[in-house]
Amino acid sequence: GAGVSQSPSNKVTEKGKDVELRCDPISGHTALYWYRQSLGQGLEFLIYFQGNSAPDKSGLPSDRFSAERTGGSVSTLTIQRTQQEDSAVYLCASSSNGMVVTEAFFGQGTRLTVV
Amino acid sequence: RKEVEQDPGPFNVPEGATVAFNCTYSNSASQSFFWYRQDCRKEPKLLMSVYSSGNEDGRFTAQLNRASQYISLLIRDSKLSDSATYLCVADYWGAQKLVFGQGTRLTINP
Repeated sequence: GAGVSQSPSNKVTEKGKDVELRCDPISGHTALYWYRQSLGQGLEFLIYFQGNSAPDKSGLPSDRFSAERTGGSVSTLTIQRTQQEDSAVYLCASSSNGMVVTEAFFGQGTRLTVV
Repeated sequence: RKEVEQDPGPFNVPEGATVAFNCTYSNSASQSFFWYRQDCRKEPKLLMSVYSSGNEDGRFTAQLNRASQYISLLIRDSKLSDSATYLCVADYWGAQKLVFGQGTRLTINP
């Protein structure tokens, strides 16, 4: 029913702490994407899931970033030992991809600020 | 070279004008293309898909040129409410990964 839901909507954390961002996709959507958007910039691809597997993790900036998806539904993006350059809006999207790529629906994002 | 490239603008045009954006993509195997719109501090939302034959939705027309690997968006009779950033999107080598351009910022002036 509802759209893509992300939590928290805002997160302020101290440098060096770990953070976990959550994404609830639209029910039944098999594909799930994570993007990062810095102020005034475009969307930077991080990772995408098809079901529970992640065919493409090429966008993860460093080994401090990891993501998982369980039950083909909820996904979490974890950033360990946060740095100030991790500050950005983290956007999650889902789509009902079948044989062709279909439109992705975005959540409202998590605004992460590392101080 | 970026996989999807757009002129970041900004484009400032008067209300009622016609404005066009182009976007180029580097992967010849890309199959699916979209234009998204993003308002300030909001999430991107689909404006329209782009089909090989071209498609129109009201004042908006999208075209795909596979030979030259670019897509275009034309906005006719622009409205103040069209002010936004327009994002060009292509799938990556036909795979189920969406690659976004950096966006073109458009401001419609009264």
